[in-house]
Amino acid sequence: AQTVTQSQPEMSVQEAETVTLSCTYDTSESDYYLFWYKQPPSRQMILVIRQEAYKQQNATENRFSVNFQKAAKSFSLKISDSQLGDAAMYFCAYRSTTGTYKYIFGTGTRLKVLA
Amino acid sequence: DTEVTQTPKHLVMGMTNKKSLKCEQHMGHRAMYWYKQKAKKPPELMFVYSYEKLSINESVPSRFSPECPNSSLLNLHLHALQPEDSALYLCASSQGASGGGWKETQYFGPGTRLLVL
Repeated sequence: AQTVTQSQPEMSVQEAETVTLSCTYDTSESDYYLFWYKQPPSRQMILVIRQEAYKQQNATENRFSVNFQKAAKSFSLKISDSQLGDAAMYFCAYRSTTGTYKYIFGTGTRLKVLA
Repeated sequence: DTEVTQTPKHLVMGMTNKKSLKCEQHMGHRAMYWYKQKAKKPPELMFVYSYEKLSINESVPSRFSPECPNSSLLNLHLHALQPEDSALYLCASSQGASGGGWKETQYFGPGTRLLVL
């Protein structure tokens, strides 16, 4: 069975600085999808960035980028030029390309942005 | 439009009440999900509907009863709940087809915050 681990329960970053959130996963599959979701306090969960495992190029979305290390089964999220609005719980998620539509979520990392 | 809507936003119910949560999407997605989320925890999958058929039931107690009347609507019927069922209930949808990473992206609704007294 696949597992997703986020080893940092909480992180802090100064406004305008860069922060990296860690995510590791365990799977025997060769093809899968990985996601980072953001959930601000009392607000909706939204997609931040996604990565297909067959793509070697790391995904980027404006200030958000990932470092995808397939062999190491690592999928970290880098947030550049952090803003107060980035404060949220961040969840890493895994989804197989086969079988059921089940997503596996990590336990989350709470990011605080300091002014 | 990547919107999933959920009603009501908040719900307070007693342990003998019957209530329903509603979820709607108009993105043409064919997979819809119910999750339960406790504070500061990740979402826990409850049910998945694929093409209006129940494809995953994560051993959820029978006091939760899902229903998918059509491809745009997903309901969760609640009956005789316990205080420990108090949580945020999230609905999500995805394309439900294979062939591309973006199609597997789940889009979440804002959730219904449920309090069982």
